[in-house]
Amino acid sequence: QSVLTQPPSVSAAPGQKVTISCSGSSSNIGNNYVSWYQQLPGTAPKLLISENSKRPSGIPDRFSGSKSGTSATLGITGLQTGDEADYYCGTWDGSLSAVVFGGGTKLTVL
Amino acid sequence: QLQLQESGPGLVKPSETLSLTCTVSGGSISSSSYYWGWIRQPPGMGLEWIGSIYYSGSTYYNPSLKSRVTISVDTSKNQFSLKLSSVTAADMAVYYCGRTTTPGYYYYMDVWGKGTTVTVSS
Repeated sequence: QSVLTQPPSVSAAPGQKVTISCSGSSSNIGNNYVSWYQQLPGTAPKLLISENSKRPSGIPDRFSGSKSGTSATLGITGLQTGDEADYYCGTWDGSLSAVVFGGGTKLTVL
Repeated sequence: QLQLQESGPGLVKPSETLSLTCTVSGGSISSSSYYWGWIRQPPGMGLEWIGSIYYSGSTYYNPSLKSRVTISVDTSKNQFSLKLSSVTAADMAVYYCGRTTTPGYYYYMDVWGKGTTVTVSS
């Protein structure tokens, strides 16, 4: 049971837009920045979004992040088959004094 | 370009100590502002934070693992290491090392190693 809650799976057609939610509480998302990671099959995770909405160099602007209250959202527009991956949200939990992650969301591009 | 590479035994016996090393290349482990950390991923499951270390030796550990974990740094070799004692089957995972921000309100891991698989079996 992960501290942060993500939907197990989402799907959409190529070219469409999808959002992935990450729900937490005031001890984690509500008072800390959220990061998002993409894990392509058989590879290490890669940072997609830091500090709620910042994209590292090299990450296309098709990827966006936002936060409101105790929830965060990853948005992906112009879906490509290469976007098929597992996506994880993460943040600090002040009550646990630990970094916590969501259980991951598998994106399928139909 | 900063790169990290995990190394260590892929097979550990139950009750023994798992030892992994992460070698940093393309940059100095003594860089200010960054920590160096470990995250693991059991087969078919999500990510679990293990802990992070600063080049000075300051550490943060996951409370759920703290009693069994030691992370150390060797600046002369540009390496940091993970030791996890009394391993069980629950410790089988892919172990990733990476560069992180200070564990706290704006934590993230921005550079990841490729990961190394650890199996626990007699």
